[in-house]
Amino acid sequence: KNQVEQSPQSLIILEGKNCTLQCNYTVSPFSNLRWYKQDTGRGPVSLTIMTFSENTKSNGRYTATLDADTKQSSLHITASQLSDSASYICVVSPNSYNTDKLIFGTGTRLQVFP
Amino acid sequence: EPEVTQTPSHQVTQMGQEVILRCVPISNHLYFYWYRQILGQKVEFLVSFYNNEISEKSEIFDDQFSVERPDGSNFTLKIRSTKLEDSAMYFCASRRTQTGTSGKDTQYFGPGTRLTVL
Repeated sequence: KNQVEQSPQSLIILEGKNCTLQCNYTVSPFSNLRWYKQDTGRGPVSLTIMTFSENTKSNGRYTATLDADTKQSSLHITASQLSDSASYICVVSPNSYNTDKLIFGTGTRLQVFP
Repeated sequence: EPEVTQTPSHQVTQMGQEVILRCVPISNHLYFYWYRQILGQKVEFLVSFYNNEISEKSEIFDDQFSVERPDGSNFTLKIRSTKLEDSAMYFCASRRTQTGTSGKDTQYFGPGTRLTVL
């Protein structure tokens, strides 16, 4: 069964610190992996997207890595800010021309305190 | 920057009533989606829509649900007879091209409609 698991479920850090969020997936075949940021009560906003041939992608203070062999991804946030408080969702797209749906993880709830 | 918009932001309805959730996708996008997120749970795919027809739907999208693109801008989700378990946040999303044609194409999400069924 295609699944996306994330850890930790929640995380609290102090402003200015770095953190790393983890994602493991069993989706196969696999097309691409995305990280989304979701503020409370809002829709998800795309941070990064990587195909199976890419192993790192940066977007400002966000850096995502992908290991397609072990089916793992991570999202590293550098020098965290209060505005980084949100849920971070790992989303995987199956490799198929017949399906367009995204498979979402449960997310990691990040809280950044001053 | 263009964005997906959704109305209303919050809808309260009685069980058994019909509701219509509205979305205006990004204007040059061709593929449209509805997702839902029950409180505290993950986002779940409901349906995808292209060229005025459903291209894929999940097991959740039963006969009580329907989608329509009544004009060139709106994309609606109708729930014919709401149930308590339909209470959730409903997100509309749109994409310019399909995943199979561009592995890096992004689905852009709207802010969501919170549906509460009493």
